[in-house]
Amino acid sequence: SQQGEEDPQALSIQEGENATMNCSYKTSINNLQWYRQNSGRGLVHLILIRSNEREKHSGRLRVTLDTSKKSSSLLITASRAADTASYFCATVRVNNNDMRFGAGTRLTVKP
Amino acid sequence: DTAVSQTPKYLVTQMGNDKSIKCEQNLGHDTMYWYKQDSKKFLKIMFSYNNKELIINETVPNRFSPKSPDKAHLNLHINSLELGDSAVYFCASSQLGTSYEQYFGPGTRLTVT
Repeated sequence: SQQGEEDPQALSIQEGENATMNCSYKTSINNLQWYRQNSGRGLVHLILIRSNEREKHSGRLRVTLDTSKKSSSLLITASRAADTASYFCATVRVNNNDMRFGAGTRLTVKP
Repeated sequence: DTAVSQTPKYLVTQMGNDKSIKCEQNLGHDTMYWYKQDSKKFLKIMFSYNNKELIINETVPNRFSPKSPDKAHLNLHINSLELGDSAVYFCASSQLGTSYEQYFGPGTRLTVT
């Protein structure tokens, strides 16, 4: 079964704007990860945040995690047309190594 | 130096046929996975192998059988293909205990006609 749910399902913005995607999940987790998928390609790992962390940065990416609300957000700052892709959150549960993906957010950045 | 490779990239076949998809990783990882991504982009885990042993076997039809000849390979065999099997199948690998990050192959688009 799907673990995470992203919203919005689709997001369209102009280059230079910030993009925020949200992810909610249901069970206790060990960590949460964000992946990117370009059209017709495999998924690429972006960032991992552990359950005891609240915020993490990587370049133009900022991820937050609120375990009390079972939610996470991915912020992409100063977006570029090349950021156009689908973004998935994935959760790894406590005492369980399998990873469950959400349905993804389709981001379109217009030049 | 592709980290995770899959063959073939595209597979078009008729209902009832048996087909295989191959996956190889050169990262030295101890765990490999098969995922199915449907037309709505839902990504669902099918199998996971750790050191050649099955550790996840989601509720998939027994027409699907993973085979791992060694730690670097995890092949997916599908018997009696059905229309509903049409999807993109992704292989991935990771090193458990060190990192939970998974590395994905480019995918195999299976079309059953």
